[in-house]
Amino acid sequence: ETGVTQTPRHLVMGMTNKKSLKCEQHLGHNAMYWYKQSAKKPLELMFVYNFKEQTENNSVPSRFSPECPNSSHLFLHLHTLQPEDSALYLCASSQGVGDLLSHTIYFGEGSWLTVV
Amino acid sequence: GQNIDQPTEMTATEGAIVQINCTYQTSGFNGLFWYQQHAGEAPTFLSYNVLDGLEEKGRFSSFLSRSKGYSYLLLKELQMKDSASYLCGLMDSNYQLIWGAGTKLIIKP
Repeated sequence: ETGVTQTPRHLVMGMTNKKSLKCEQHLGHNAMYWYKQSAKKPLELMFVYNFKEQTENNSVPSRFSPECPNSSHLFLHLHTLQPEDSALYLCASSQGVGDLLSHTIYFGEGSWLTVV
Repeated sequence: GQNIDQPTEMTATEGAIVQINCTYQTSGFNGLFWYQQHAGEAPTFLSYNVLDGLEEKGRFSSFLSRSKGYSYLLLKELQMKDSASYLCGLMDSNYQLIWGAGTKLIIKP
């Protein structure tokens, strides 16, 4: 059982829908991440939050909107997505960011997103 | 620039040994790590190397050569449950995590 839980595990949405992915970590970590994982491609870092503050936004389109109300919860709000956004979205957490404390990252099981 | 290369797919036999290679180019280095990801599951941490040499942990070992920009993950006494993708990642000088595309390992009886 992972210390990072994601819901929903599977989501199918139309291009005009608005939906949200939720992530919760039970590890007492200070940093949380959203990654996109597509088949046969490297993990793509999307957003990083450290102590609830966004520290990284890797040129992610505005149709993806993150929200971090506290160090344990992270959301990814989705709006007017495109079919090419279909992928596995992984949430992760680590003790810290920007130092060796962050080298061990704990992942959730991911949310499979299909945009139709 | 920064780049990580690892084979897309490998096949091995149950009980055998397999070595998954990872080569990288980076301007700075703060460690290399390996994760295992079973289909439909979360990637899980396997190993972390920051100094040259071999780190052994049970059936799994990880090797690093910083001068060659090279690492490998060695899996011994392969079991069917070792069928998974293995992700190579490095932490650069800015403590940013850079990932390879992963190696899908198929174990045959």
